[in-house]
Amino acid sequence: AIRMTQSPSSLSASTGDRVTITCRASQGISSYLAWYQQKPGKAPKLLIYAASTLQSGVPSRFSGSGSGTDFTLTISCLQSEDFATYYCQQYYSYPTFGGGTKVEIK
Amino acid sequence: QVQLQESGPGLVKPSETLSLTCAVSGYSISSGYYWGWIRQPPGKGLEWIGSIYHSGSTYYNPSLKSRVTISVDTSKNQFSLKLSSVTAADTAVYYCARGPDSSGSLDYWGQGTLVTVSS
Repeated sequence: AIRMTQSPSSLSASTGDRVTITCRASQGISSYLAWYQQKPGKAPKLLIYAASTLQSGVPSRFSGSGSGTDFTLTISCLQSEDFATYYCQQYYSYPTFGGGTKVEIK
Repeated sequence: QVQLQESGPGLVKPSETLSLTCAVSGYSISSGYYWGWIRQPPGKGLEWIGSIYHSGSTYYNPSLKSRVTISVDTSKNQFSLKLSSVTAADTAVYYCARGPDSSGSLDYWGQGTLVTVSS
């Protein structure tokens, strides 16, 4: 199985901050990577697929980059509704997810 | 608007079979896409279980493959999950979801249903 490692596991930030989350794959996955946002008690929501393609309806303050083994999710200007847990997912082989990054209010 | 809704027992006894159904509305399963199951133990991360195409082709997580069966009923526009020989480790919120590929990103999700394995 391809192992996905996210860092940090949690972070504290303020509204308006720029936030970057990193995801590293245990082997090369080209651009077969997605990012999800999950709020407590809710299903994950797809934000980005193919490493950098914004899902329809997702605000442009979210962006993704990377290929191969190293990827980042950036929130350019954190809004109150962005406090949540974020997961990366590779789909180069059968899907596996990162452990999650919880974005909390500072 | 595509909607998915999971249903099934919330409590299953150890060694028995967990059975869930996902009803799809707003989109015909026969029109395409892949339909999958993902689970999340309480307070933990996500695990992909498997997916199915309307033709019946299935794709399973190798770690669960021996215990998992996913099937589709296009006449009812729904698909199902069966997980046999369950243990407490199978306690989780189970989600159904839609994706463009057999193992790709997932763009529509159900709300999830908690299944507890306990005697």
